[in-house]
Amino acid sequence: GAGVSQTPSNKVTEKGKYVELRCDPISGHTALYWYRQSLGQGPEFLIYFQGTGAADDSGLPNDRFFAVRPEGSVSTLKIQRTERGDSAMYLCASSSANYNEQFFGPGTRLTVL
Amino acid sequence: QQQVKQSPQSLIVQKGGISIINCAYENTAFDYFPWYQQFPGKGPALLIAIRPDVSEKKEGRFTISFNKSAKQFSLHIMDSQPGDSATYFCAARKDDKIIFGKGTRLHILP
Repeated sequence: GAGVSQTPSNKVTEKGKYVELRCDPISGHTALYWYRQSLGQGPEFLIYFQGTGAADDSGLPNDRFFAVRPEGSVSTLKIQRTERGDSAMYLCASSSANYNEQFFGPGTRLTVL
Repeated sequence: QQQVKQSPQSLIVQKGGISIINCAYENTAFDYFPWYQQFPGKGPALLIAIRPDVSEKKEGRFTISFNKSAKQFSLHIMDSQPGDSATYFCAARKDDKIIFGKGTRLHILP
């Protein structure tokens, strides 16, 4: 079956702009996670959804970052007033239930000029 | 504070050799220790995982050794192949949040 998909695969934007990154989880997966991976580093947790609600958003670095999952399936990570330091690979993962294996998407590479 | 420390940063192994990657953790509340494999341009994929009440787990050529008292665990790749060349991440889970190490870039010489 289809895995986790993320769009766009690459996004280049200018400092100060607003961006949205989309994640389509595996069908039927109730848990969805966002991670950020900087070059040469491991993924860092950002936020976790169980259904429509954010169960844990402790990894969001500041209030410029926000994520939604209005219908409990697709999720959008939103970044306002982007900064050069936001440049990274943004990974999404989903699992069939919390504490089950997380399946990762291919990521969106964000570059802020 | 880095919760999961991984070494080495990079590793070169001859084809057929054993690749060994080590990790250490501090938080005894971690309840699950997965290893992920990541190829360029792809997301991480679960390779093998272990719970802290088990000292060793083997799946094919991949083995995790876990030392709970030392708070250390390692990945052994037996008969390493060029197709194993990738970045490997150890990780630990607490409250459904996975904490990753910084990764090891493994290169297997043909």
